Amino acid sequence: AQSVAQPEDQVNVAEGNPLTVKCTYSVSGNPYLFWYVQYPNRGLQFLLKYITGDNLVKGSYGFEAEFNKSQTSFHLKKPSALVSDSALYFCAVRDIGSNDYKLSFGAGTTVTVRA
Amino acid sequence: GAVVSQHPSRVICKSGTSVKIECRSLDFQATTMFWYRQFPKQSLMLMATSNEGSKATYEQGVEKDKFLINHASLTLSTLTVTSAHPEDSSFYICSANRQASTDTQYFGPGTRLTVL
Repeated sequence: AQSVAQPEDQVNVAEGNPLTVKCTYSVSGNPYLFWYVQYPNRGLQFLLKYITGDNLVKGSYGFEAEFNKSQTSFHLKKPSALVSDSALYFCAVRDIGSNDYKLSFGAGTTVTVRA
Repeated sequence: GAVVSQHPSRVICKSGTSVKIECRSLDFQATTMFWYRQFPKQSLMLMATSNEGSKATYEQGVEKDKFLINHASLTLSTLTVTSAHPEDSSFYICSANRQASTDTQYFGPGTRLTVL
């Protein structure tokens, strides 16, 4: 079984401040972890992923995420948020041992960056 | 690379009619495509996994006779909502794996279906 929790429905930050979106996961084996962003009435855009290797993953638009195995977390971060980062963010996981390639998504976190 | 398109982006239909939604991988071959449904301000609900040349695998509770999926080629999967009813109104999103080994799903822009 695999699952993702995004504990915050909403995150509000001021432009220029650091942005963190939290994600914890649960898998039977080892995880593949992903972050996606969704703008209104649009599909999901891929931001970054952790497969293996360095725990700090850098992705698109200045975002990064840190894989923490002991805390089973994969929090998304951006050092300086922009108003244009306001969107819905999804964390997703897949168990490496699974052969059906299905992703499990969190409930999503709405990020609002105020000018 | 890794662009996925969907057509149409919006469709409004009368109750009882059927609607076909196309999902295409534009610059890569996709052996596996996925169909999701998303309700307002909610997460994605996986409906089915579509594999080229074989029958789709449906998630529990999804009616396979109502949501017909065809994966005719390595770049095209279609979802047909048969005898649509207002409760089928939703945002439908497809995704495709470019390479199974990396498991990154690339998503289409979605299709807004409204059934009157």
